[in-house]
Amino acid sequence: GEDVEQSLFLSVREGDSSVINCTYTDSSSTYLYWYKQEPGAGLQLLTYIFSNMDMKQDQRLTVLLNKKDKHLSLRIADTQTGDSAIYFCARARDTDKLIFGTGTRLQVFP
Amino acid sequence: DAGVIQSPRHEVTEMGQEVTLRCKPISGHNSLFWYRQTMMRGLELLIYFNNNVPIDDSGMPEDRFSAKMPNASFSTLKIQPSEPRDSAVYFCASKRQENTEAFFGQGTRLTVV
Repeated sequence: GEDVEQSLFLSVREGDSSVINCTYTDSSSTYLYWYKQEPGAGLQLLTYIFSNMDMKQDQRLTVLLNKKDKHLSLRIADTQTGDSAIYFCARARDTDKLIFGTGTRLQVFP
Repeated sequence: DAGVIQSPRHEVTEMGQEVTLRCKPISGHNSLFWYRQTMMRGLELLIYFNNNVPIDDSGMPEDRFSAKMPNASFSTLKIQPSEPRDSAVYFCASKRQENTEAFFGQGTRLTVV
């Protein structure tokens, strides 16, 4: 199937870590992505990981991939109010179409 | 580069009218995608093109929806006739076919009353 699932909401205190989770069903997915959408804007690529990797770190962002369980997570360290947005998980086979999850709305409070 | 350019940014139309959404991809990108975003269904892929050729239109909801890409720098998504349930934000995205990152436009917010 093409389902990519995420929880709808996450609320964290400023300075804490945020962990956004995603599960997918298509085991042939080669690339897994995290996109960020700020209010009234399009989607911006944050990071991506190849399916043969299990971790990728980029500054405050850490992506973990459990290929066996088809589970992807995005950890944001030292979450700031500017991180408040909707975060989308997406998958693709090779470099063709992206299939997105429902998005997780992250709210950061002081 | 100005990025992916969509027009209009907002469209309000009456039920039954024809609506045309426009997209200019980033120069040099040969893959183009149309997505629809709603609260209920999230981001749905409607159709995508490689080298101006439609590759997968299985996400197009009904025959009322059609998309064209007459050249590498322009694409349209047309809804005729429009219905209130078509109200959504429509995004266009483009990328180089061999690359991983897709770049999104700002979207067109369509309201059908």
